[in-house]
Amino acid sequence: QVQLQESGPGLVKPSETLSLTCTVSGGSISDYYWSWIRQPPGKGLEWIGYIYYSGSIKYNPSLKNRVTISLDTSKNQVSLKLKSVTPADTAVYYCAMGFDNWGQGTLVTVSS
Amino acid sequence: EVVLTQSPGTLSLSPGERATLSCRASQSVGSNYLAWFQQRPGQAPRLLIYATSSRAIGIPDRFSGSGSGTDFTLTISRLEPEDFAVYYCQQYGSVPWTFGPGTKVESK
Repeated sequence: QVQLQESGPGLVKPSETLSLTCTVSGGSISDYYWSWIRQPPGKGLEWIGYIYYSGSIKYNPSLKNRVTISLDTSKNQVSLKLKSVTPADTAVYYCAMGFDNWGQGTLVTVSS
Repeated sequence: EVVLTQSPGTLSLSPGERATLSCRASQSVGSNYLAWFQQRPGQAPRLLIYATSSRAIGIPDRFSGSGSGTDFTLTISRLEPEDFAVYYCQQYGSVPWTFGPGTKVESK
């Protein structure tokens, strides 16, 4: 059973960069679509983007070029970077393998 | 961008009853690539249905999906206590992938 675990700072200051890592255990990241999805407290889901192991990457245009998703095959990790954050970026951030395997999510709060 | 609308916003039903959830798209969903997720409080979403009508691994057959084009439906034939949750539809036929706002199925 492949397991995903998100990690990173729980608190980020406005205008700084949010950086999260999804560590994959029990399988290789050299397959599947790897997505990041977020959910503001008490609200719905927003797709951030995906990366395919072949190198194909798609982002949500709503994030206006602030986002970067990458793979580190040597560490079996998927990374998310979101620049110039504001309080509106406060959310639980999930990584997902395909559609049917999600991490537990990690809450990131943007506040000074 | 494909905008998804879900109705009703809240569905109040009793265990054993049938639940019918609707998801409508602002334009045709490419290849009918429409998925349904269940989310219980404090948990990550769980995939129920993909490609409109295919059940994910381990999903009970009381969950079924149907539809095409712009109109899609998730049906739960007989509600079990663990089915009371929020349900989201998602289209992945075109980028950006988008989610509907969710339907909450609550116990009457």
